[in-house]
Amino acid sequence: DAKTTQPPSMDCAEGRAANLPCNHSTISGNEYVYWYRQIHSQGPQYIIHGLKNNETNEMASLIITEDRKSSTLILPHATLRDTAVYYCIVSPTGNQFYFGTGTSLTVIP
Amino acid sequence: ETGVTQTPRHLVMGMTNKKSLKCEQHLGHNAMYWYKQSAKKPLELMFVYNFKEQTENNSVPSRFSPECPNSSHLFLHLHTLQPEDSALYLCASSLSLRLAGGPTGELFFGEGSRLTVL
Repeated sequence: DAKTTQPPSMDCAEGRAANLPCNHSTISGNEYVYWYRQIHSQGPQYIIHGLKNNETNEMASLIITEDRKSSTLILPHATLRDTAVYYCIVSPTGNQFYFGTGTSLTVIP
Repeated sequence: ETGVTQTPRHLVMGMTNKKSLKCEQHLGHNAMYWYKQSAKKPLELMFVYNFKEQTENNSVPSRFSPECPNSSHLFLHLHTLQPEDSALYLCASSLSLRLAGGPTGELFFGEGSRLTVL
C-alpha cells in the first residue's frame, strides 16, 4: 500500500526548477525514499533514491527533511520532456514498490 | 532502451482465448515483476519472482498465471479474461530481492503490453 501523499498535479515553466513535494510521515527508519517517473504510456523510469542525506545525480536532486517525514524532488531546469507522472515511494528493500497516484507534472513552454 | 523487452506490445483477445505475455531482460538481474496499470489507476503489483521462485502473489485472480523458467524470462499466461482486465501490463526486473538490509537496485521497466479484452 502506498505510504506517501503527493499533489495530484503541478505546472512548471520550461527552464525553471520543478520542485515536487512528497509527504511520508509514517516512514520507518529502514525505509528509503524513491522517485520514479512515467512518461505517457511508457514504463516507469527510476530517478533517484535516498535514506537520510540529500542526494543528487544527473537527473535530479532529492532533499529529505531532517525528520524524514517529507521530501522534495528537484528537477533543476525542467524541459518539455520532463512532462510525466512522478511517483514518490518508500520501501525498505528497494524492490517491492507500491506505486500511488503520483504527481502529474506539466512543463509549459 | 531499458534492457527489458516485452512482447507483444499490443494484444486484443476475446474472453475465451488463451494468450501469453512475454518479458525478457538482458541485465543479469535475478528478480522479475509483473505490474498492471488500468486506465487512470495506480500501478498494481501482481507477482514477484526472485531467482525463479515466486515470492509474492498480490491476490491476483487465477485467470492470470505467471511462469518464470529462468531469471531472464517471465511470462504471464492469460485465459478466460474479462473486459475489466484490459490494461497496460508492465514487466520489471531488479538485481535481486532482499527482505531487509537496504536496496539492491532500482527497478527497470519494459515498455509494457497493452491488452484489450473484448
